[in-house]
Amino acid sequence: EAGVAQSPRYKIIEKRQSVAFWCNPISGHATLYWYQQILGQGPKLLIQFQNNGVVDDSQLPKDRFSAERLKGVDSTLKIQPAKLEDSAVYLCASSLFWGLDGYTFGSGTRLTVV
Amino acid sequence: SQQGEEDPQALSIQEGENATMNCSYKTSINNLQWYRQNSGRGLVHLILIRSNEREKHSGRLRVTLDTSKKSSSLLITASRAADTASYFCATETSGSRLTFGEGTQLTVNP
Repeated sequence: EAGVAQSPRYKIIEKRQSVAFWCNPISGHATLYWYQQILGQGPKLLIQFQNNGVVDDSQLPKDRFSAERLKGVDSTLKIQPAKLEDSAVYLCASSLFWGLDGYTFGSGTRLTVV
Repeated sequence: SQQGEEDPQALSIQEGENATMNCSYKTSINNLQWYRQNSGRGLVHLILIRSNEREKHSGRLRVTLDTSKKSSSLLITASRAADTASYFCATETSGSRLTFGEGTQLTVNP
């Protein structure tokens, strides 16, 4: 089966610019997650979708970050405006049903804000 | 906030030796999962152990879970240079939230 697809692979932007990341989960996976991983740290959950509804966005900095999942499939994560501290790898993951098996992660988008 | 804490932060061993990594967590969980991350890559799921299980095996991996102590360990037997990576424990709590620890960097020297 195809994995979780993410694009772009790398992105360099200046602070105060905007950026968007795209994720295509595994077909049929209802749950989709966005994580932020700062260098040397573990991934931190930003937002969790169940189909096209938000389940948990308690750790999403809503003043600058937004995410949507149209039609319960693809998802985009946007940062506007970006700050230097947003430099990180943004990981997308999907799961068929929680508690049964692990989550499948994409390769991530490495964002550098200069 | 991070739920799990791995110990040690870094581990360096020789090929053929066993590697043991520990994870402690704070709240009740549905299950605990271990992931591997090679440098610059995404995370790969290794093994999931449910809260009512005490031990689980998968190939050269052995995971234990002690819910009374809120701790887990991952044992990699007969390690190989290809096992060099960061290893993360992650706890799944109610609402299917998956929370990661800070990871253990394992280096296996040939």
